[in-house]
Amino acid sequence: QSALTQPASVSGSPGQSITISCTGTTSDVGSYNLVSWYQQHPGKAPKLMIYEVTKRPSGVSNRFSGSKSGNTASLTISGLQAEDEADYYCCSYAGSSTLVFGGGTKLTVL
Amino acid sequence: QVQLVQSGAEVRKPGSSVKVSCKASGGTFSSYSISWVRQAPGQGLEWMGRIITILGIPNYAQQFQGRVTITADKSTSTAYMELSSLRSEDTAVYYCAEGDFFDHWGQGTLVTVSS
Repeated sequence: QSALTQPASVSGSPGQSITISCTGTTSDVGSYNLVSWYQQHPGKAPKLMIYEVTKRPSGVSNRFSGSKSGNTASLTISGLQAEDEADYYCCSYAGSSTLVFGGGTKLTVL
Repeated sequence: QVQLVQSGAEVRKPGSSVKVSCKASGGTFSSYSISWVRQAPGQGLEWMGRIITILGIPNYAQQFQGRVTITADKSTSTAYMELSSLRSEDTAVYYCAEGDFFDHWGQGTLVTVSS
């Protein structure tokens, strides 16, 4: 089980939109619509932001959206705000009741 | 609202084992899926394995097979993760998380492996 591939860092100015990619294989991202995204602020537990590729849990801002094409899933944050600065992780079902995370992406709001 | 409360920080010597607990409340424990996720200092999240409490059958990430044991005690609504043959690289915060999509997390337990 290899970790999913995410960019190490992305940045954007307040009000802009950014997209974080998450690339897997046909054994995980490409085969299942079971990708989730997590936001983690320093010293805190992760928080679920997106599940089943596109769904938002109750209470998560609609500025966060998810999509998938082939073996790559994406998280888009629109109307960037200072509090969005955090680490973001994708996670995918990988078959045989196993899961795999991405390496994480540090989002900097300029 | 599901709440997960984990046991406190642990310090272990290389070669030993550690067992971390995760007590659940606010839901129906017998229908839970509890995963364990770890995060080494300055590193990313790593899924270790999970147990579906109604089945009592665990699944493990390949890289932890043979070293990790995940169990659940329905009588106390508590899940456990035991990691053996500890090495310094196992120093990390260990989280339990509930659900197929981890919508609830414990507060994390720091395990330090040092001689």
